[in-house]
Amino acid sequence: DSGVTQTPKHLITATGQRVTLRCSPRSGDLSVYWYQQSLDQGLQFLIQYYNGEERAKGNILERFSAQQFPDLHSELNLSSLELGDSALYFCASSVTRESAYNEQFFGPGTRLTVL
Amino acid sequence: QKEVEQDPGPLSVPEGAIVSLNCTYSNSAFQYFMWYRQYSRKGPELLMYTYSSGNKEDGRFTAQVDKSSKYISLFIRDSQPSDSATYLCAMSYNQGGKLIFGQGTELSVKP
Repeated sequence: DSGVTQTPKHLITATGQRVTLRCSPRSGDLSVYWYQQSLDQGLQFLIQYYNGEERAKGNILERFSAQQFPDLHSELNLSSLELGDSALYFCASSVTRESAYNEQFFGPGTRLTVL
Repeated sequence: QKEVEQDPGPLSVPEGAIVSLNCTYSNSAFQYFMWYRQYSRKGPELLMYTYSSGNKEDGRFTAQVDKSSKYISLFIRDSQPSDSATYLCAMSYNQGGKLIFGQGTELSVKP
């Protein structure tokens, strides 16, 4: 168990719908990262938050958005869902210290199926 | 062309074999090199990381980075059935930055 929790574990929805994925980082970790894993694209970085602020952005679609709340949990919102959005969505967290390697600990993922 | 290339396998070996997993990359700006292991339906977990070039050993696992060739390797000695998983190489430009992953190699170790 990495200490990162994600809910829900599974999500089945229809095209055009909107869903929210939730992530709670490890205690003390200030950075949260979101990744998408699909068969054809592999594991791809979407977005990073650090202490409530957006720090880095990857190839995240405009239909997707995220935020990190004052208690450091994060939510990834996916809207106008398409079949191609079906994937595993992982959240990772790290402590972000300057003096040491900042390991990213991954949660168990949310499996999204768009029908 | 992807920034990080990794043969997806699958790779099947007998128990006790030495396994060699490799990745190549195109961007010389990468400074941190990681190997993650992912069991089916689980999140990736960090096996080893290396900063810049060199070798690192941890038990049965050895990671090598050759920045001049843009090539990294993971060796698993005395492989066990419990090593059966997908192995992902990952790289980052800086400390705490985004990870860029290879496609992952599916490894099966047969008893």
